[in-house]
Amino acid sequence: GENVEQHPSTLSVQEGDSAVIKCTYSDSASNYFPWYKQELGKRPQLIIDIRSNVGEKKDQRIAVTLNKTAKHFSLHITETQPEDSAVYFCAASLPNFGNEKLTFGTGTRLTIIP
Amino acid sequence: DGGITQSPKYLFRKEGQNVTLSCEQNLNHDAMYWYRQDPGQGLRLIYYSQIVNDFQKGDIAEGYSVSREKKESFPLTVTSAQKNPTAFYLCASSIAETQYFGPGTRLLVL
Repeated sequence: GENVEQHPSTLSVQEGDSAVIKCTYSDSASNYFPWYKQELGKRPQLIIDIRSNVGEKKDQRIAVTLNKTAKHFSLHITETQPEDSAVYFCAASLPNFGNEKLTFGTGTRLTIIP
Repeated sequence: DGGITQSPKYLFRKEGQNVTLSCEQNLNHDAMYWYRQDPGQGLRLIYYSQIVNDFQKGDIAEGYSVSREKKESFPLTVTSAQKNPTAFYLCASSIAETQYFGPGTRLLVL
């Protein structure tokens, strides 16, 4: 099965600086890579996703990059704000004819320092 | 993801008791999932269902059971065989690969 590793487990960033979270996956056939943000006690919320036919995707201050050769993908948050403080999870999905399931990383706790 | 509801928000289980967590969605999604989240850890898949009357075990199915009698509903039963059930349980539904989560149920053992 798929295995996803996520680093770092904790990250503290000064407000206004950029934050980068990296994930690696084991199965080169994986083709869908979402990122979720989870605030304390709340549900994970999808913030951005990328498919294997795309190398980069941006949505305002958030971007995701994918390197299929190296089997890793990264979340980039620019101009960080206090409300960006949360736990972020990456995930990967293998194509399986409508029977797809996500494998999650272990999460990164991001703290924005005012 | 506002169309996915879970109840109750908090649930207390006594030793030896089976408890059932509810998950309902009105998004007309075919697939539904149950995850367990322990403090400081990621999401681990318990069971998932792609269509009504069919479901598959995930990575940590032991001590849990599910049913999928209706498209909208995917209840999870935590049985007495699950010796360490204290966790945050999240239900999700999906359109294609994209999953949307419910608000979660926090299960505590008395």
